[in-house]
Amino acid sequence: QVQLQESGPGLVKPSETLILTCTVSVGSISGNYWSWIRQPPGKGLEWIGNIYFSGSTNYNPSLKSRVTISLDTSKNQFSLKLRSVTAPDTAVYYCASSHTLLRGAMGSWGRGTLVTVSS
Amino acid sequence: DIQMTQSPSSVSASVGDRVTITCRASQGIGTWLAWYQQKPGKAPDLLIYSASTLQSGVPSRFSGSGSGTQFTLTISSLQPEDFATYYCQQASSFPNTFGQGTRLEIK
Repeated sequence: QVQLQESGPGLVKPSETLILTCTVSVGSISGNYWSWIRQPPGKGLEWIGNIYFSGSTNYNPSLKSRVTISLDTSKNQFSLKLRSVTAPDTAVYYCASSHTLLRGAMGSWGRGTLVTVSS
Repeated sequence: DIQMTQSPSSVSASVGDRVTITCRASQGIGTWLAWYQQKPGKAPDLLIYSASTLQSGVPSRFSGSGSGTQFTLTISSLQPEDFATYYCQQASSFPNTFGQGTRLEIK
């Protein structure tokens, strides 16, 4: 079972860039899709995007102009960069993994990290 | 984007009850559908993928069915630990999208 852990700042100022990292501590980056999902307080889940171990990416069009997801196989990590944040970007951010055998379902999730956008 | 609509938005039930949650896709997604359970303050847990395949370790009282645009998650006999929020997710195309969630509460 893949284990994931998010890390990054809990507070980001408006207009700045949010950077989160997900460390894969059990298993390898190879062979899976690696995703970011967020959940505003008291609301539902929003898929942000993913990256395949080959490096190809897919993004939610609603965020595409501000988002970059990247992979560092040497460190077994992948990252989320969200530019020009505003208050609606306040959410719990989860990283997750999906093996191709799960047909797009995300079988392993990090615990999530709350990011608040505020000055 | 494919819209996923769950019903009901919330349901009250008792231990031992049979509960069914429905998820409808705005266009056909084959069986590219997953179901998750989320408890307060926790990350979602995968219950079912490919519309009807039980994830390893998930109790057999959970089952899923459907294809195309209509899907159901059934809990055959509710246990106390099943009271949570349930989400469906389509993985047929990007962006992946989730239903709005169904909150299962104790009656």
